[in-house]
Amino acid sequence: DAGVTQSPTHLIKTRGQQVTLRCSPKSGHDTVSWYQQALGQGPQFIFQYYEEEERQRGNFPDRFSGHQFPNYSSELNVNALLLGDSALYLCASSLFGGDVEKLFFGSGTQLSVL
Amino acid sequence: KNQVEQSPQSLIILEGKNCTLQCNYTVSPFSNLRWYKQDTGRGPVSLTIMTFSENTKSNGRYTATLDADTKQSSLHITASQLSDSASYICVVSASDQLSFGAGTTVTVRA
Repeated sequence: DAGVTQSPTHLIKTRGQQVTLRCSPKSGHDTVSWYQQALGQGPQFIFQYYEEEERQRGNFPDRFSGHQFPNYSSELNVNALLLGDSALYLCASSLFGGDVEKLFFGSGTQLSVL
Repeated sequence: KNQVEQSPQSLIILEGKNCTLQCNYTVSPFSNLRWYKQDTGRGPVSLTIMTFSENTKSNGRYTATLDADTKQSSLHITASQLSDSASYICVVSASDQLSFGAGTTVTVRA
């Protein structure tokens, strides 16, 4: 049983570019949440997707957008990249309305903006 | 504002020794508190989760305590191993919102 998978594992972009990160949730999970983790900091909540809709959103600008597909996989898009967007981007999956304990994280995508 | 504060920021211990990490929170209304272990460059992995009524929970050599009255939690690592070197993150849940601490980086040396 595959856990949460994210791709790519590492990515290097330049300022102003756009990036798309991908996430496949753990089998049986239908909800995907995205987090940004700067070096030495805890993860910061970006948004959560369920039933292909954004259900919750953290304090992130509109440059950050997402999508969830019918198979529950998800994408995170970031436009007009800034140097400050360099971080580890984590995807976490869960079952909507299920046991809150069952939140599983992927290994993340390390994004470097030069 | 919901906040989770962890201390110390980092610590170094010798293999075989014990250590205790602290977490103070101001999250309300409280739902549960979790401790995660995060290896460098990897995603967090759940160690323990405690609800309001639980004041201690163990997972192998990891023991978490919770004092809901003082809004404090601790994570005790017993007989540390080199593989315990990681960041330990305290996460407090309020309804369906999670508040993350910045983590404590533990380095275990031989």
